[in-house]
Amino acid sequence: QVQLQESGPGLVKPSQTLSLTCTVSGGSISSGSYYWSWIRQPAGKGLEWIGRIYTSGSTNYNPSLKSRVTISVDMSKNQFSLKLTSVTAADTAVFYCARETLIMIRGWSYYGMDVWGQGTTVTVSS
Amino acid sequence: DIQMTQSPSSLSAFVGDRVTITCRASQSISSYLNWYQQKPGKAPNLLIYAALSLQSGVPSRFSGSGSGTDFILTISSLQPEDFATYYCQQSFSTPLTFGGGTKVEIK
Repeated sequence: QVQLQESGPGLVKPSQTLSLTCTVSGGSISSGSYYWSWIRQPAGKGLEWIGRIYTSGSTNYNPSLKSRVTISVDMSKNQFSLKLTSVTAADTAVFYCARETLIMIRGWSYYGMDVWGQGTTVTVSS
Repeated sequence: DIQMTQSPSSLSAFVGDRVTITCRASQSISSYLNWYQQKPGKAPNLLIYAALSLQSGVPSRFSGSGSGTDFILTISSLQPEDFATYYCQQSFSTPLTFGGGTKVEIK
C-alpha cells in the first residue's frame, strides 16, 4: 500500500525559500498514471492546491503561486519536492502531498487524490 | 479559475438523519467532481470521485450525484464518526479548486 510522508523545516524566515519533500513508500513514483500534488491549508481554513507533477515530469501550477513555486521529482529517491520562494506569513499552513490516481470510466479519464501524506506544518516567522 | 461554492458552510444533525451537502461550480465541469472528508488534525480522505463513484472502502451510506454545475453529497444515515468537514473539488481543469468546506456536527 502506497504511503506518502512530508518532510522539511517547520520554521522558515520571511523572504526565504520553503522546501519540502514527499517520500513515496510502498510503490514506485515512476510507475502508473499518477499526478503527484502539493496542497496547503492555513489553520482553520480550506484547502488550496499548489501544483503537481506528472510521472513524465510535466508540471501544472496554481497561477496564484506560479511565479514562486517549483515542483520536481527525484526518481532515484522515490521523492518529489516543493520549493516556494519569497515566503511571507501568509504562507504559514499545513502542507500536504497527495497522489492523484487516474480512473477510467466508460472511456473517460478522471483523477482523484486517493493517497495523502499526514501533513506538515510550516510557520513563516522571524 | 473555476470557483466551487459549497452550502451550507456548517450543519448540525442527529445520528440517523439524512444529510445533504451541495456544491456548485462556476462553470460546467461535467462529472469531474470529487468529495473529500477531513477530520480534525488529519489529511482529507477521498469519498467520491467522478461525481458519483464511491471510493473503495468508503461506507455505502455516502453517495454523490449531479453533473454540469450542481452536485450533491448525501449521507443517508449520519453516524457519530461522520463528524468532519467535507470538501468538493473539481478536476476538470487546472488550477484544481476546492469548495470552502461544510462542517458537519452531531446534535
